[in-house]
Amino acid sequence: NAGVTQTPKFQVLKTGQSMTLQCAQDMNHNSMYWYRQDPGMGLRLIYYSASEGTTDKGEVPNGYNVSRLNKREFSLRLESAAPSQTSVYFCASSPQGVGTEAFFGQGTRLTVV
Amino acid sequence: GENVEQHPSTLSVQEGDSAVIKCTYSDSASNYFPWYKQELGKGPQLIIDIRSNVGEKKDQRIAVTLNKTAKHFSLHITETQPEDSAVYFCAASIGESSTLTFGKGTMLLVSP
Repeated sequence: NAGVTQTPKFQVLKTGQSMTLQCAQDMNHNSMYWYRQDPGMGLRLIYYSASEGTTDKGEVPNGYNVSRLNKREFSLRLESAAPSQTSVYFCASSPQGVGTEAFFGQGTRLTVV
Repeated sequence: GENVEQHPSTLSVQEGDSAVIKCTYSDSASNYFPWYKQELGKGPQLIIDIRSNVGEKKDQRIAVTLNKTAKHFSLHITETQPEDSAVYFCAASIGESSTLTFGKGTMLLVSP
C-alpha cells in the first residue's frame, strides 16, 4: 500500500517547455487534489477532482490543466512553463468529500529556468 | 471564501517545553479543522483533527482546542522533543463539498 505516489520527484524545465506531473493513489479515494507550496505562502489549491470524471478550479489554476484519468490517477499539465511556476507540487487524495482528511504525496520539486 | 490566519510563523522552544500554535478562520460555517505536520522534504501528514461539535481533542502529547464563538482553534504540543521540529499547518473547511483552506504554516524548532 504505497498511498499517494507522485512522479517525478525533481524536474528542471526551460521557459516555454511543457510537462505533465503524474499522481496515483491506491487507497480507492474519491477526491484528488493538486497543490503548490511556495515559501511563506502555505499550500494553495490549483485544481481538484471531487470524483472520477469531474474537475474544478482551485485558488491558482492559471497556467495549468488537469486530467482525472480514472479513479486512481490525477495528472497536472503545464503547457508552457514560466519561472513563476517554480514551486513544490503536492498531490493529495481524500476518501470522501473534498473538505475532509487529505493524504499527501511526497511532492515534486519543479524549477523553471 | 474562507480565510485562515496562522500564528506564529516561527516558534523556537527548548526540549520539554510546551508549544502552542493558533489559527483563526473567517467563515462561521466551517466545521472541520485538521492539523498537518510537514517534515523536511516530505509531504504534509495529518496529525490530529477536530469537528465543530467538539471543543477539545487529545492524542498523547498533542491536543487541539476549538472556540467557535471566537472562530479560532489551537494546536498544543506538550513535552516537546527534537523530532517535533517541523512545519505545522492548520486548515479549515465548511463541509464535504468545500475544499480545505490552509494557513501559511508555523516552523517549530525544538532545541535539545
